[in-house]
Amino acid sequence: EAQVTQNPRYLITVTGKKLTVTCSQNMNHEYMSWYRQDPGLGLRQIYYSMNVEVTDKGDVPEGYKVSRKEKRNFPLILESPSPNQTSLYFCASTTWTGNSYEQYFGPGTRLTVT
Amino acid sequence: QQPVQSPQAVILREGEDAVINCSSSKALYSVHWYRQKHGEAPVFLMILLKGGEQKGHDKISASFNEKKQQSSLYLTASQLSYSGTYFCGTEEGNKLTFGGGTRVLVKP
Repeated sequence: EAQVTQNPRYLITVTGKKLTVTCSQNMNHEYMSWYRQDPGLGLRQIYYSMNVEVTDKGDVPEGYKVSRKEKRNFPLILESPSPNQTSLYFCASTTWTGNSYEQYFGPGTRLTVT
Repeated sequence: QQPVQSPQAVILREGEDAVINCSSSKALYSVHWYRQKHGEAPVFLMILLKGGEQKGHDKISASFNEKKQQSSLYLTASQLSYSGTYFCGTEEGNKLTFGGGTRVLVKP
């Protein structure tokens, strides 16, 4: 079964305490990405990765880091979280197969930074 | 730049039709459509690649007019399960930018 998993699903933390949200996919997809979703602002892309060791900034990368050491994993790192990073985060995994385009989102991680 | 969706919200009775529009100030090369139900992750519906292309997902179809830099999503004979927020997404390079969403409520 095609699956994108994220952990943790919920996290309450304090300003400045480093955290990592993990994302893993079981479909051998090349392209993975992170989004944040905020009321009134919709979904915004944070970072994306075209393949292992290839990452690039999306529209709102400030305050975030990513790495892609293995194809299946794409963790999102907040080195020094701030309250404005309180949001709902989604990881997504994408591939083109011939004429077919597949994209799956993880279940989301609700982060609160106090 | 974020594509603009209209309307922002629509209420339908089961069996009625609706159209959601997505327009961009930039040239469009592809348009993605998603549906997100409350408390859930977005679900990819379809991608349109060429001007004039139309696609379908159940009774949900879409068209893409690259000259007008817009795409439309058609909800035909709506079902209760069509309720949710619909987003369009446009690609620039390898980045994906989403519209603000259209809330759809289908009532019995």
